[in-house]
Amino acid sequence: QKEVEQDPGPLSVPEGAIVSLNCTYSNSAFQYFMWYRQYSRKGPELLMYTYSSGNKEDGRFTAQVDKSSKYISLFIRDSQPSDSATYLCAMSAGGLKTSYDKVIFGPGTSLSVIP
Amino acid sequence: EPEVTQTPSHQVTQMGQEVILRCVPISNHLYFYWYRQILGQKVEFLVSFYNNEISEKSEIFDDQFSVERPDGSNFTLKIRSTKLEDSAMYFCASSPGLGSEQYFGPGTRLTVT
Repeated sequence: QKEVEQDPGPLSVPEGAIVSLNCTYSNSAFQYFMWYRQYSRKGPELLMYTYSSGNKEDGRFTAQVDKSSKYISLFIRDSQPSDSATYLCAMSAGGLKTSYDKVIFGPGTSLSVIP
Repeated sequence: EPEVTQTPSHQVTQMGQEVILRCVPISNHLYFYWYRQILGQKVEFLVSFYNNEISEKSEIFDDQFSVERPDGSNFTLKIRSTKLEDSAMYFCASSPGLGSEQYFGPGTRLTVT
């Protein structure tokens, strides 16, 4: 089983739609969960950063973490064409001695928001 | 807003040559990282660096790779003898503390011919 799994898409939605992006993971040591946005041939841009289970909202973005199911989600409300990018879920153990805090990335989901 | 910068943006080199990729992390950050992304693949961890020493490295980070913080601002990744399979985007990241957010630079695209 891969450490982090993510549907690669591509996902195409109309402008204004609610987008749901998801990842599953296998390592129960992960306790920090991130979503990055990456445009083509650019560096990952941090969107959301959460610790342990729960929800976090920032503007149009909501991140959810369910550690019991090893499942994380990112919701984008009122999607815009500028949201078209690849979305990377990522996670780390955050300093546990065996793994320090290297970030493990999912393969990314390609999103297109059509005007 | 402070950001991680990387130079050059694109480096072309011949197989067997040495390359040095440079990064300037965010100024008050203490933890530094290199990741790479082969075209079409996921971002992969290479190495983490804290207090002037490597804290963790992946199996990709073999003897051909080294990192250095030569002064108070720069953080470098050296590949001693490049191979075709080293062609990738290399990202530097920095973080203020263990378990904190990691901020990524724009990347250096390395092409080995």
